[in-house]
Amino acid sequence: DIQMTQSPSTLSASVGDRVTITCRASQSISTWLAWYQQKPGTAPKLLIYKASSLRNGVPSRFSGTGSGTEFTLTISSLQPDDFATYYCQQYDSPSYGFGQGTKLEIK
Amino acid sequence: EVQLLESGGGLVQPGGSLRLSCAASEFTFGRYAMSWLRQAPGKGLECVSTVSGSGGSSYYTDSVKGRFTISRDNSKNTLYLQMNSLRVEDTAIYYCAKLLAFSNPDAFDFWGQGTMVAVSS
Repeated sequence: DIQMTQSPSTLSASVGDRVTITCRASQSISTWLAWYQQKPGTAPKLLIYKASSLRNGVPSRFSGTGSGTEFTLTISSLQPDDFATYYCQQYDSPSYGFGQGTKLEIK
Repeated sequence: EVQLLESGGGLVQPGGSLRLSCAASEFTFGRYAMSWLRQAPGKGLECVSTVSGSGGSSYYTDSVKGRFTISRDNSKNTLYLQMNSLRVEDTAIYYCAKLLAFSNPDAFDFWGQGTMVAVSS
């Protein structure tokens, strides 16, 4: 199975900051990568698919880059609503591996 | 908007069985592959099983092979997960999710609210 590794596990930041989360795949997955946001007690929400395509309705402060084995999610200017846990997910294979998550906390 | 509503979770003893259901609406259900994913308390996400739009092909994660069966009834717009020989480590919130496009695999664009499965003696 393809292993997905996110870093950092926890990130402390302030409103207005620019933050970047990294996701690495154990083998090339082309651009078959998605990013999700999850808040406590709720289901994950899709933010970005195919590594860099922004889902309709997701604010443009979210962006994704990468291909092969290295990917990033960037939030250009943190808003209060953005403090949550973020997961990357590969869909190169039907095992659909997820990263372990990055918890974005208020500094 | 797309709606996915899970039901069937609960408390069960190790070795027991449960059947989860996911009622779908506001999209052409039979055209999309669907998945069950789970999240153990305080842990990350895991895709348990996926079934094609027709129901003719399916995928299972290794830990549930031979114990769980995914199925769908396209006439009822409903997805199922039959869970047998349940283990303590199956305890989790179970989500059903719709794939973004017709192809499998793909990202998950809509998720249900989840149903809790607790396996304990």
